[in-house]
Amino acid sequence: DGGITQSPKYLFRKEGQNVTLSCEQNLNHDAMYWYRQDPGQGLRLIYYSQIVNDFQKGDIAEGYSVSREKKESFPLTVTSAQKNPTAFYLCASGTSGRRSYNEQFFGPGTRLTVL
Amino acid sequence: GNSVTQMEGPVTLSEEAFLTINCTYTATGYPSLFWYVQYPGEGLQLLLKATKADDKGSNKGFEATYRKETTSFHLEKGSVQVSDSAVYFCALNSNYQLIWGAGTKLIIKP
Repeated sequence: DGGITQSPKYLFRKEGQNVTLSCEQNLNHDAMYWYRQDPGQGLRLIYYSQIVNDFQKGDIAEGYSVSREKKESFPLTVTSAQKNPTAFYLCASGTSGRRSYNEQFFGPGTRLTVL
Repeated sequence: GNSVTQMEGPVTLSEEAFLTINCTYTATGYPSLFWYVQYPGEGLQLLLKATKADDKGSNKGFEATYRKETTSFHLEKGSVQVSDSAVYFCALNSNYQLIWGAGTKLIIKP
């Protein structure tokens, strides 16, 4: 089955620790995205990548880092510099380019809780 | 810049009622428009889309028409069910990204 997987579904970390969230897709999409969602709120873009080995900051990139070494994978690291990391993190992928509708497909999300 | 505005929630309806969730946008050119749905604790799913003016997207009884003259893409359903309870997001594409509305929580009571 084609789709996007995120792991783990729930993640707990102690304050001051870095943690990496996994995102994998087998849809052969060029573009991948990370969003943050706080309770009762909309989506805020953290980072996005339109092609392997390239990525751009979104609206709230501070305290986060990403890599895009493979087309299928776009891991997100939440660093200790992120002041309030407890949130629901969503990964998405999609087609990209001037002729693209930029439709995005989402994974099931990872709920991160900082203890 | 480009933006999307949705009606504030929560919207509470009884089962079998008619649903409208308003979405208006500001954009240059002719963006594609989307409605996504998010069930509790899950990721977002594409509900429907429209890629040009006057297009009507439809899925699972939901419909939305791309109105260029009123810059709107309102979501409608003729008879809602309890299972439609979720958060609905309107979005448009801009510069290789999606611009999102704040989301509208829909609560359907039996």
